[in-house]
Amino acid sequence: KNEVEQSPQNLTAQEGEFITINCSYSVGISALHWLQQHPGGGIVSLFMLSSGKKKHGRLIATINIQEKHSSLHITASHPRDSAVYICAVRSLFNAGGTSYGKLTFGQGTILTVHP
Amino acid sequence: ETGVTQSPTHLIKTRGQQVTLRCSSQSGHNTVSWYQQALGQGPQFIFQYYREEENGRGNFPPRFSGLQFPNYSSELNVNALELDDSALYLCASRSLGANYGYTFGSGTRLTVV
Repeated sequence: KNEVEQSPQNLTAQEGEFITINCSYSVGISALHWLQQHPGGGIVSLFMLSSGKKKHGRLIATINIQEKHSSLHITASHPRDSAVYICAVRSLFNAGGTSYGKLTFGQGTILTVHP
Repeated sequence: ETGVTQSPTHLIKTRGQQVTLRCSSQSGHNTVSWYQQALGQGPQFIFQYYREEENGRGNFPPRFSGLQFPNYSSELNVNALELDDSALYLCASRSLGANYGYTFGSGTRLTVV
């Protein structure tokens, strides 16, 4: 089982629909990131969460630390929202007496919004 | 200068060759990490550098190595390329010691033939 699981893997919606993408993780984290990746490959950071809820425009991200679960919501979806949405968790590791943080990524959710 | 810049954007190499990928971190960021993203998969952590020292490594063999320079730019080197090394390689920078997010580059698409 992957440490970070996203659902659904593929999502198709009509313009205007409300969209939810879910992320569950099994490790202790210091932060959770929602990222957007377009076909060219570049990744844009949408949110970084350690608790509660954040909103930016039509995007809302929530996290429940106790349940190890986060959701990304898109209200009034638009074709330009079509992209891969990736959940990534930042965990702390110890190696050789030094701690460092690393990102572990989900497999991504492919979102297609039709006009 | 803002943002993370990676070069080249695309690269084709032959099995057994060596490759160097480059990353210029966002201004003010002292930590850079590299990721490998195979087609249809999420990125996998390769390693991380902080102040020119590797301070974290994922499950990648020693033929994957890196450098970070005093200006915080970075290189990823892969020796003895294998077909399975074909992937998108992403670098991301952040400022350690603060609750800052990551800034990602657009990636280098490596194809090994």
